[in-house]
Amino acid sequence: ETGVTQTPRHLVMGMTNKKSLKCEQHLGHNAMYWYKQSAKKPLELMFVYNFKEQTENNSVPSRFSPECPNSSHLFLHLHTLQPEDSALYLCASSQDAGEDTQYFGPGTRLTVL
Amino acid sequence: QKEVEQNSGPLSVPEGAIASLNCTYSDRGSQSFFWYRQYSGKSPELIMFIYSNGDKEDGRFTAQLNKASQYVSLLIRDSQPSDSATYLCAVNVNYGGSQGNLIFGKGTKLSVKP
Repeated sequence: ETGVTQTPRHLVMGMTNKKSLKCEQHLGHNAMYWYKQSAKKPLELMFVYNFKEQTENNSVPSRFSPECPNSSHLFLHLHTLQPEDSALYLCASSQDAGEDTQYFGPGTRLTVL
Repeated sequence: QKEVEQNSGPLSVPEGAIASLNCTYSDRGSQSFFWYRQYSGKSPELIMFIYSNGDKEDGRFTAQLNKASQYVSLLIRDSQPSDSATYLCAVNVNYGGSQGNLIFGKGTKLSVKP
């Protein structure tokens, strides 16, 4: 199994829908991250979890709700999104939060209609 | 506001030439610096990291760090068409605690012409 996996790879949803993105890492890491990548903008850190505890919420709107049931799994629950939320959502993991290098999953391409 | 600046490009070099990618950062306390490569439609892939001033070489790639000038660069020797991608510079910044987070630049698009 490859290091960091994400499902689904593509998602189209309406503004009233509720959906969830899933990330799983098989690297034995303790930290997991959600990033948003929009066209012409740098990668934006959304959330950080270290040992299942949320350690960073980078002023993300409440329509994005993360969940980390264990160190290997990370979810991003989505509800009442806006068209401007359309982007590539990337999950990453590292041995521990902080200095360590981060490894990215393939991403979920999200389109909000 | 902690920032990482990169020239967006595109940077076009002929096959076999040296490609030089540059990055500046604003946080003087940053200790860790990373270069990621991202092909179109794909996720970022780690190429190199550097912690100390000077050069670090790995195959055709050399990372250079100058903390006094807050400058980090990536040299790609003998550039190949397969090196054509967007290169992201990332810098670890701290917000007063022991944990740091990565701040990414917008990336430089490199095109290697056969």
